[in-house]
Amino acid sequence: ELKVEQNPLFLSMQEGKNYTIYCNYSTTSDRLYWYRQDPGKSLESLFVLLSNGAVKQEGRLMASLDTKARLSTLHITAAVHDLSATYFCAVDRVQGAQKLVFGQGTRLTINP
Amino acid sequence: DAGVTQSPTHLIKTRGQQVTLRCSPKSGHDTVSWYQQALGQGPQFIFQYYEEEERQRGNFPDRFSGHQFPNYSSELNVNALLLGDSALYLCASSDRGSSYEQYFGPGTRLTVT
Repeated sequence: ELKVEQNPLFLSMQEGKNYTIYCNYSTTSDRLYWYRQDPGKSLESLFVLLSNGAVKQEGRLMASLDTKARLSTLHITAAVHDLSATYFCAVDRVQGAQKLVFGQGTRLTINP
Repeated sequence: DAGVTQSPTHLIKTRGQQVTLRCSPKSGHDTVSWYQQALGQGPQFIFQYYEEEERQRGNFPDRFSGHQFPNYSSELNVNALLLGDSALYLCASSDRGSSYEQYFGPGTRLTVT
């Protein structure tokens, strides 16, 4: 059974600091997704990582994938308050119906 | 181009009742997936519909059922509601033939009292 674990689950940081969220998954997977969710809202797609060594960046967020270690990271550079949200990673496989398996989420709070 | 839409936005039901949630996929998408997100948790896959058939199902009881219509829209039905069914229900659509990415709707917040 495919399982996804994120850490930390809660993260409080100061504006201007850097930090990394980690996402481990249990078995081979084809695609790794990062989503953002604001309170009471739906999921906003941030990144899709398809292959080993993939790196994508958007603004202050950068995601990477190491398929051999079954690990993805979401790095936040010089955090700003607007990045406060819950971040989820999810994985799926190409074969069969697409079924996303999500981690527990990391609740990120950025303090001024 | 409308994205994924869901209705209603919020719903309050009593234990034992039945509920129907609706989803219209993004234009050009033919596949609809449903997820349940309990408070403070990650979304969990309920099932997926393609060509009006259930293609894959997560670990949810038979009280959860669905349907897909010829226009690709979908319904999620939950019978004999339990307090534990209170959650945000998310619908996601995708184009099975050309894209793997799922686009999520705004969700329906179901509260069971």
